[in-house]
Order: sequence, then structure tokens, then C-alpha cells
Amino acid sequence: AQKVTQAQTEISVVEKEDVTLDCVYETRDTTYYLFWYKQPPSGELVFLIRRNSFDEQNEISGRYSWNFQKSTSSFNFTITASQVVDSAVYFCALRTLDTGRRALTFGSGTRLQVQP
Amino acid sequence: DVKVTQSSRYLVKRTGEKVFLECVQDMDHENMFWYRQDPGLGLRLIYFSYDVKMKEKGDIPEGYSVSREKKERFSLILESASTNQTSMYLCASSLRLAGTGLVFASYEQYFGPGTRLTVT
Repeated sequence: AQKVTQAQTEISVVEKEDVTLDCVYETRDTTYYLFWYKQPPSGELVFLIRRNSFDEQNEISGRYSWNFQKSTSSFNFTITASQVVDSAVYFCALRTLDTGRRALTFGSGTRLQVQP
Repeated sequence: DVKVTQSSRYLVKRTGEKVFLECVQDMDHENMFWYRQDPGLGLRLIYFSYDVKMKEKGDIPEGYSVSREKKERFSLILESASTNQTSMYLCASSLRLAGTGLVFASYEQYFGPGTRLTVT
């Protein structure tokens, strides 16, 4: 069985602040993929990043960075110098090689509000 | 660009009605999925399909059925809508390549804009 926990239901920051969204996952598989998706007010989920369980290097893409730590089963997402356009619900998701589970397991999401 | 479209953005139906939600993708993806999204629960898988006429139950299939007669189209059917099926419904698609499970697991899912269904 697998599970993804996003303990932060809602976060509110002021523009230009840095913010970190937490994601903790559970799986018995040693091979798996982790994902982050963004859901803006328009509703469509947008893929942000994919990470496999063998690659613990942190990744940076512009103002976005991801910190993957297998030791704590966490895959946290940091937005640097947040902007109003970052306001959205962010989902962390897990995909393992369990062939009976071809879809993603999602966390409950974190709503980020960036105030001007 | 991958395009996943859903037939309606908003839908209002009465209890007991039969409801069809349609999803079409234009990238020749083998896998298609239906999720429902509820506040505090994230996305939960209802059904998925890995090929034409092939389907498997997800986590919450009760009260739903699906149909995949063509590769690009995946329909979700509520045989007799109930108020507890009021929700946001999201369709997704992804590639499925022959090969190792690692390759299979790696492909991200592309989502449609969602259908907000209200059952009164």
C-alpha cells in the first residue's frame, strides 16, 4: 500500500517570500516515481516535475526547487520569491511499480495563496 | 502539446439521472484515467483503462462504470446519479510503452480541465 501526506492544508504568504510545501510518502517499493502538479484556479492540473527513487539530487528550475530525501521519505517543494501567479493548489503524487496500481496516488493538496 | 478535453466544464443533474462524462485525448496515449477530486481528499482514482475495451477498477468504483470503445475516448458513466457524487471529475492520459516497469512508471499523466458535476 502507498500513501502521500501533505500536512499543510493552506499556506498564505506575501509576494516575494519564500515558501516550502511539504510532501511525505509511504511505500514498500524500492523503485518509484514522485511527482508535483500545480492546479491553478482554472482547474487543469499542470505537471511540474518527476523524480525517480534512484536520484536524490536536488533540482532547481527557475524559482522552483525540489528537495528529495529518501531517509525521511520526503519530497519537498520550495518556491523562491513567490509571485501572485503561484497561487494554486499543489499536489504531490507517487507512482510505484506495483502492477496492480497503474495510476498515481495523490496527496490531499496544499492551497497556496500569495498576497500582493 | 498534449491535449485532453472534457465534454463539459459544469454540469447539473438530478438524482437518479444517468450521466455521461466524456474525455478525449489527441496524443495516442494508451492509458486513460478518471479521478474525482474532493476538498481535503485530493484526487481519488475511479477507473482506468490501459487499452481499448480494457478497464480496471480504481479505489472508488462504486456507482460508476466506464467505456472505452476508441483509443482516444474514455467515458465515465453514472448509472443513477446521487448527491454524494457531486464533485469535480478529472480525466487524464499517459503513455504506456513496452519495456521495463521502470519505464512504464515514469510517464507523467496529462490532465483535462475537469468537469464540476452537481447532483441535486
